[in-house]
Amino acid sequence: AQTVTQSQPEMSVQEAETVTLSCTYDTSENNYYLFWYKQPPSRQMILVIRQEAYKQQNATENRFSVNFQKAAKSFSLKISDSQLGDTAMYFCAFMKHVKTRGGSNYKLTFGKGTLLTVNP
Amino acid sequence: EAGVTQFPSHSVIEKGQTVTLRCDPISGHDNLYWYRRVMGKEIKFLLHFVKESKQDESGMPNNRFLAERTGGTYSTLKVQPAELEDSGVYFCASSQDLGQLNTEAFFGQGTRLTVV
Repeated sequence: AQTVTQSQPEMSVQEAETVTLSCTYDTSENNYYLFWYKQPPSRQMILVIRQEAYKQQNATENRFSVNFQKAAKSFSLKISDSQLGDTAMYFCAFMKHVKTRGGSNYKLTFGKGTLLTVNP
Repeated sequence: EAGVTQFPSHSVIEKGQTVTLRCDPISGHDNLYWYRRVMGKEIKFLLHFVKESKQDESGMPNNRFLAERTGGTYSTLKVQPAELEDSGVYFCASSQDLGQLNTEAFFGQGTRLTVV
């Protein structure tokens, strides 16, 4: 079974600064996907960034980037130029590549989450 | 385009009562998922529908939980009778089926269930 560990229950950062959220995982799979989701207070959880394990290049989405270390099973999220709207609970998630008759299976394994507060 | 919507947003019930949660996925999404987060713990997978069929229900905790998706549109998750440990936030998500994993799962806001 896969496990995902987020060792930082809470973090804070000053507006405009950079913060890194850590995530490690354990799996025996070789093909899998990693995700960071963000849930702002009282709002939907939204996908921030995804990484395919077979890709060596780290994924980047604007101010969000990841440091994917496959051998170390580490998948940290870096937020640059933090904004007040980045305040949210951040969840790291793992998904192994499962082909079903439906074509896809988002059976995600989540970490416990990191509550990030961006201070003005 | 409307996102995934869940009803109610909050529910407080007494132990032993029945509660039904509803999820309306994004129109056209064949895949629907239920997840649950117990306070302070991980979000855990409950089950996965493909249209009206249960593809994977390995995460359902026990037979007090019953999920349905009649007609392959909205889904309900009924807890009967509710126990204190059922308290948590229940998330629903949906995704398209394009035969490849470039699709994204979209989540609802969740239903916060409190059993007292």
